[in-house]
Amino acid sequence: GAGVSQSPSNKVTEKGKDVELRCDPISGHTALYWYRQSLGQGLEFLIYFQGNSAPDKSGLPSDRFSAERTGGSVSTLTIQRTQQEDSAVYLCASSAGPISYNEQFFGPGTRLTVL
Amino acid sequence: AQRVTQPEKLLSVFKGAPVELKCNYSYSGSPELFWYVQYSRQRLQLLLRHISRESIKGFTADLNKGETSFHLKKPFAQEEDSAMYYCALLNRDDKIIFGKGTRLHILP
Repeated sequence: GAGVSQSPSNKVTEKGKDVELRCDPISGHTALYWYRQSLGQGLEFLIYFQGNSAPDKSGLPSDRFSAERTGGSVSTLTIQRTQQEDSAVYLCASSAGPISYNEQFFGPGTRLTVL
Repeated sequence: AQRVTQPEKLLSVFKGAPVELKCNYSYSGSPELFWYVQYSRQRLQLLLRHISRESIKGFTADLNKGETSFHLKKPFAQEEDSAMYYCALLNRDDKIIFGKGTRLHILP
């Protein structure tokens, strides 16, 4: 079956514009995670969904970042009024349940460049 | 504070030599620890987790609670081991905290 997919694969935008990043998890996976991967910072947790609800939003860097998940499937990460420091690779992952018992599968990422 | 520290950004090792990627953690309670790997142009993937006590691709990692470490080891490096390696900790809120990663470069 298909793995986690993300779109677009690359996004170049101008400072101040809004962007939407999409994640399609593996079918049937209830848990979905967003991470940011930037040079020198490693992988930074952003937000986690269990079904459609997000019990942990603590990782979102600012109120310009938001995410939603509908139908227990697709998720969208939105960054408003992008800044240059938002440039990074945004990774999505999904798992069939809690990570304690289930492996987390990653998507290929969306590389965001803010000019 | 919950933290994962990988002190080396880059580690270069000759083919056939032993490899040790260091990882230290800070966590109150019993940690669950992982190593993830990202090969060039591939997705991030799970390499091993400490509860399974497996050896994957010749790599092992032992949890040392006294030293709060979870170092990744392999006795004989191979060129295909060149990749980015991330140590990670799972907290009680089911959130994974990653280290900043170590790039392993195997020299021919």
